[in-house]
Amino acid sequence: AQTVTQSQPEMSVQEAETVTLSCTYDTSESDYYLFWYKQPPSRQMILVIRQEAYKQQNATENRFSVNFQKAAKSFSLKISDSQLGDAAMYFCAYRKDTGRRALTFGSGTRLQVQP
Amino acid sequence: EAQVTQNPRYLITVTGKKLTVTCSQNMNHEYMSWYRQDPGLGLRQIYYSMNVEVTDKGDVPEGYKVSRKEKRNFPLILESPSPNQTSLYFCASSWVGLAEYNEQFFGPGTRLTVL
Repeated sequence: AQTVTQSQPEMSVQEAETVTLSCTYDTSESDYYLFWYKQPPSRQMILVIRQEAYKQQNATENRFSVNFQKAAKSFSLKISDSQLGDAAMYFCAYRKDTGRRALTFGSGTRLQVQP
Repeated sequence: EAQVTQNPRYLITVTGKKLTVTCSQNMNHEYMSWYRQDPGLGLRQIYYSMNVEVTDKGDVPEGYKVSRKEKRNFPLILESPSPNQTSLYFCASSWVGLAEYNEQFFGPGTRLTVL
């Protein structure tokens, strides 16, 4: 079974600084997708960024980028120029390319942004 | 507006009293799924549906039922709720087909407390 591990329960960053959230996963599949979701206090699950395993190029969405290391099964999220609105729980998630399409989530990292 | 809606958003009930949490999407998605979120565990899939009249178990199906009579609706039924089903529940939906377009859209969540 696939597992997703987020080893940092909490992180803190100063406004305008850069922070990196870690995620590792375990799978025997070669084709899969990885995601970072943001959950603000409103509890809404918001997709931040996605990465297809077959793509070597790291995904980027504005201030958010990932470092995808397929051999190491590592998928970290970098937030640049942190803003107060970035404060939230961040979940790393994995999904196989086939089958029941279930997202397997990590336990989450709570990010605090200090003014 | 494209969205997934859930009702109710908050529910407090007692052990054994049957309840239904509704989920509806207006994006014509084939795939729908239910997750529960518990502290330290991330989100775990309860049931999913690949299309009308096609449902199957996820990782934690015990104590839950679902039905998919219409494409847009996917209610979650707890026939005899117990306190260990106290949780935050999310409904999600997506297209089935080209994997690049399989992003799962989440509803706003339903906070259920079973006394």
